[in-house]
Amino acid sequence: AQSVAQPEDQVNVAEGNPLTVKCTYSVSGNPYLFWYVQYPNRGLQFLLKYITGDNLVKGSYGFEAEFNKSQTSFHLKKPSALVSDSALYFCAVRPNFNKFYFGSGTKLNVKP
Amino acid sequence: DTAVSQTPKYLVTQMGNDKSIKCEQNLGHDTMYWYKQDSKKFLKIMFSYNNKELIINETVPNRFSPKSPDKAHLNLHINSLELGDSAVYFCASTPGSGVATNEKLFFGSGTQLSVL
Repeated sequence: AQSVAQPEDQVNVAEGNPLTVKCTYSVSGNPYLFWYVQYPNRGLQFLLKYITGDNLVKGSYGFEAEFNKSQTSFHLKKPSALVSDSALYFCAVRPNFNKFYFGSGTKLNVKP
Repeated sequence: DTAVSQTPKYLVTQMGNDKSIKCEQNLGHDTMYWYKQDSKKFLKIMFSYNNKELIINETVPNRFSPKSPDKAHLNLHINSLELGDSAVYFCASTPGSGVATNEKLFFGSGTQLSVL
């Protein structure tokens, strides 16, 4: 069965510190991996995706993600967090047939 | 111009009523979706249409009926609303069809449905 796991419901980090939001997946074949961000009362917005190639993917707003095939992980990272990064983050995998599987979301709190 | 737009943004109604949510995308995408986000923020796919044809139908009660009059529109009609239907419903679209693609989803801003 296809699945995406985000083991942390919430991540707290101080502004200026690095942040990591974790994601692991279980799919057959080589998946396409995505990160989305959701601000309150808004739809999800695309941050970045991994298709193939370099394991470190750079995306919007200074975010990046590292694909690790052996650990089936795709953790989201940012070197220096901003208060405005506080939001809900979703990892997603797209194995086939236009179906996206989303993780349960991780709430990121960045404190001044 | 809004890429994926849904109406209404908020919908408050009584149990047993029938209601519809409309979605339109002006991106020229071939595939559209309905997702349900529950109170715990978990996102679950409900339906997907490609060029007006239903391609994904998850285990959704048959009180939910999607309709796609053309590839730019995907509406969701819900009959006999129940308390458990209260959620945020998101419309989304993506280019491509039928086979795995690397394209991302574009989401609407959501419709918050409250069933009283």
